[in-house]
Amino acid sequence: DVKVTQSSRYLVKRTGEKVFLECVQDMDHENMFWYRQDPGLGLRLIYFSYDVKMKEKGDIPEGYSVSREKKERFSLILESASTNQTSMYLCASSRDSLPDTQYFGPGTRLTVL
Amino acid sequence: AQKVTQAQTEISVVEKEDVTLDCVYETRDTTYYLFWYKQPPSGELVFLIRRNSFDEQNEISGRYSWNFQKSTSSFNFTITASQVVDSAVYFCALSEGINTGTASKLTFGTGTRLQVTL
Repeated sequence: DVKVTQSSRYLVKRTGEKVFLECVQDMDHENMFWYRQDPGLGLRLIYFSYDVKMKEKGDIPEGYSVSREKKERFSLILESASTNQTSMYLCASSRDSLPDTQYFGPGTRLTVL
Repeated sequence: AQKVTQAQTEISVVEKEDVTLDCVYETRDTTYYLFWYKQPPSGELVFLIRRNSFDEQNEISGRYSWNFQKSTSSFNFTITASQVVDSAVYFCALSEGINTGTASKLTFGTGTRLQVTL
């Protein structure tokens, strides 16, 4: 069965902190994605990775970075968290370069105070 | 640029009613894929269907059906005899970046919140 897990369901951080959000998939998928979801805006792509150590910017990469050292793990990093990064963060993975179905994790609701 | 429009922000129906969720898309690609996802209150997006641009046949899966019309750039989703468990946010999405050598990305609509009451 397809499985994408995220390290935390809820996270509270302070402004200026460095924040790591972890995502792990056990399906041997090549591609992994980070989205943020905000009311009225749907899902917006932050970064994605199509192979180990390969990454590309999505639509809203500012204020974020990513790391993919192993195929199964994709980390989203907020170098210096700000209140406007309070959001729901969703991780997804898919199989190859064709538009294969993306499978999502349960999400991390991040609050930056 | 790719765009997906879900004009219905919120829909409320009474159980057993039929309901249709609209999705209109814009793309310059001739080959593309369309998706529907369900997000229940638990938060995890659940995949419902994927349809490619060359297949305009309607699809039915139990109480769910999908109507794809290229002429109107629409991919609408109908739930027949709705149930309380259908209450969720539903997202329509469009693929892009086919055969670029990197991952194919999805453009999501803003979602339609469906509330089914007894």
